[in-house]
Amino acid sequence: NAGVTQTPKFRVLKTGQSMTLLCAQDMNHEYMYWYRQDPGMGLRLIHYSVGEGTTAKGEVPDGYNVSRLKKQNFLLGLESAAPSQTSVYFCASSYSTESENEQYFGPGTRLTVT
Amino acid sequence: LAKTTQPISMDSYEGQEVNITCSHNNIATNDYITWYQQFPSQGPRFIIQGYKTKVTNEVASLFIPADRKSSTLSLPRVSLSDTAVYYCLVGDPSSLSGGYNKLIFGAGTRLAVHP
Repeated sequence: NAGVTQTPKFRVLKTGQSMTLLCAQDMNHEYMYWYRQDPGMGLRLIHYSVGEGTTAKGEVPDGYNVSRLKKQNFLLGLESAAPSQTSVYFCASSYSTESENEQYFGPGTRLTVT
Repeated sequence: LAKTTQPISMDSYEGQEVNITCSHNNIATNDYITWYQQFPSQGPRFIIQGYKTKVTNEVASLFIPADRKSSTLSLPRVSLSDTAVYYCLVGDPSSLSGGYNKLIFGAGTRLAVHP
């Protein structure tokens, strides 16, 4: 049971380049999330998904797109990277209960945009 | 959205009990209180969740007064390995299926445990 895995672990982009971050979970969770964490700050939700084929915006969705074509995968795309998107990105997943929300987090992807 | 306020940092010593309080004055009826722990260069890890009164598991206790405007995470007999950032999260998990998000992480409390 690998839990939540993220690919890649590190990436350096130049301004204007694009990339896709991949998140995979093997716990059969319905819900998946993408967060960003800037130095010394808490996590901010970018986008989330409550099931295969569905996505929704979080707190800071601008500049990002997501897709959930398969239940186990949640992709985060940056179409035209900007230095303000330099951050650590965390993916998480959880069951789809209406009360409990124990999220399982991946190890993170450290992205630097120059 | 329920805004949370936590101390920025705390210090303790090995073997002591640590209590971290989170204020959430405008908590809503459907909101739950969840605490996460985060070590450097790792993703957060769930510690405990509650709605009211007291919840206890193998690693921590969560105390929630009747008015639910605050909550206290209690870590018994901390060790050096408990040095981490602790996040209080207040929100309504059911909001996600409704297409809106009411789960907001605060800035966290940096706990340093000394020998």
